[in-house]
Amino acid sequence: GESVGLHLPTLSVQEGDNSIINCAYSNSASDYFIWYKQESGKGPQFIIDIRSNMDKRQGQRVTVLLNKTVKHLSLQIAATQPGDSAVYFCAENSGSSYKLIFGSGTRLLVRP
Amino acid sequence: DSGVTQTPKHLITATGQRVTLRCSPRSGDLSVYWYQQSLDQGLQFLIQYYNGEERAKGNILERFSAQQFPDLHSELNLSSLELGDSALYFCASSVGLGNEQFFGPGTRLTVL
Repeated sequence: GESVGLHLPTLSVQEGDNSIINCAYSNSASDYFIWYKQESGKGPQFIIDIRSNMDKRQGQRVTVLLNKTVKHLSLQIAATQPGDSAVYFCAENSGSSYKLIFGSGTRLLVRP
Repeated sequence: DSGVTQTPKHLITATGQRVTLRCSPRSGDLSVYWYQQSLDQGLQFLIQYYNGEERAKGNILERFSAQQFPDLHSELNLSSLELGDSALYFCASSVGLGNEQFFGPGTRLTVL
């Protein structure tokens, strides 16, 4: 499939290492945040979400951290695997609107 | 597989033409969202419908329109197509308002 966002920032990690992908959001009124994974030629796939009343949420091998003070969101992937290679997007949603505003994305490359 | 279906998968047409993209949400989901993804602009929210009614609008061009039918499927109509309309168009659905959105596989539109 075609690449999305040919000029995306890229994070390259060794298989088995932990990955941290960061995202800055702009709207202090946003109260819901989501991380999506997009593989080449596919639609965005939901990974994990967090609401603004939380600082941290854990899923299977993934953790999302929210720092509202500096409007920063991060996605941590433990023991990164080749199948984790994809473009990762953060998205924010404010309570007054149900549309998602997506960040520009980060490409994760996992080296074998 | 998210449960959201989109047709067609690929569409090639000429400038000035009109096309219709179709989306069927996941069973039970009442909200449908349309997004445009181009190489230089990332994922952009276009419009949202909830149970047949328009609920939110993004930067959707006047040449574009959408609707959600009583059976909850949605159609995005793009008219007077221009070269710059070439992009991936994604549909997403959610149970209600402000819930996690599940994306379909997308329709790749190429305007020649």
